[in-house]
Amino acid sequence: EPEVTQTPSHQVTQMGQEVILRCVPISNHLYFYWYRQILGQKVEFLVSFYNNEISEKSEIFDDQFSVERPDGSNFTLKIRSTKLEDSAMYFCASKRRLYNEQFFGPGTRLTVL
Amino acid sequence: AQTVTQSQPEMSVQEAETVTLSCTYDTSESDYYLFWYKQPPSRQMILVIRQEAYKQQNATENRFSVNFQKAAKSFSLKISDSQLGDAAMYFCAYRSLKETSGSRLTFGEGTQLTVNP
Repeated sequence: EPEVTQTPSHQVTQMGQEVILRCVPISNHLYFYWYRQILGQKVEFLVSFYNNEISEKSEIFDDQFSVERPDGSNFTLKIRSTKLEDSAMYFCASKRRLYNEQFFGPGTRLTVL
Repeated sequence: AQTVTQSQPEMSVQEAETVTLSCTYDTSESDYYLFWYKQPPSRQMILVIRQEAYKQQNATENRFSVNFQKAAKSFSLKISDSQLGDAAMYFCAYRSLKETSGSRLTFGEGTQLTVNP
């Protein structure tokens, strides 16, 4: 069964560095999402992406964040200058058109030192 | 804005027994979807069950069923004949059907379910 994959599984970075988290959504899906989960807190929506543009973003998704679908398979989340509070689990999800279920990847644990 | 609340951070159940996980939500909308997701230790969230708000009938998926009380804004998950593989974090989630809300999911805090042999 097709799955959403994410790389790396764990990323450690220094504060102020740029990171790129990568996701490969399920191939026939058209809607893509990023969520994050700070340890001990709720899973929070960051951004949704459809038709090569952001369709919705949360208050968390400020100018430090960007998303891109650089080719037909990858979906990336870039954090330009990481802060300590960006340490979290980041989940990618994808969805088919007209379907309700979002399929989640296993997550990338980002640790900012 | 919608909020989802899971008031039970942890629950435990004996294998083969039944357990109910609670979820309440707050919304002013009349049409929406509700979901239960399971997140086992491998961390990949898996959809367990879905309920459309316009449907009065409670959704069921094998050993999993929901008690959807729209007026009370309650959406509990019942797991029957619990199995060791059911041990996981369970998240309740809400999705608005308003176009302006896109298809974002709003999650509860999660309930960690332990299944005892």
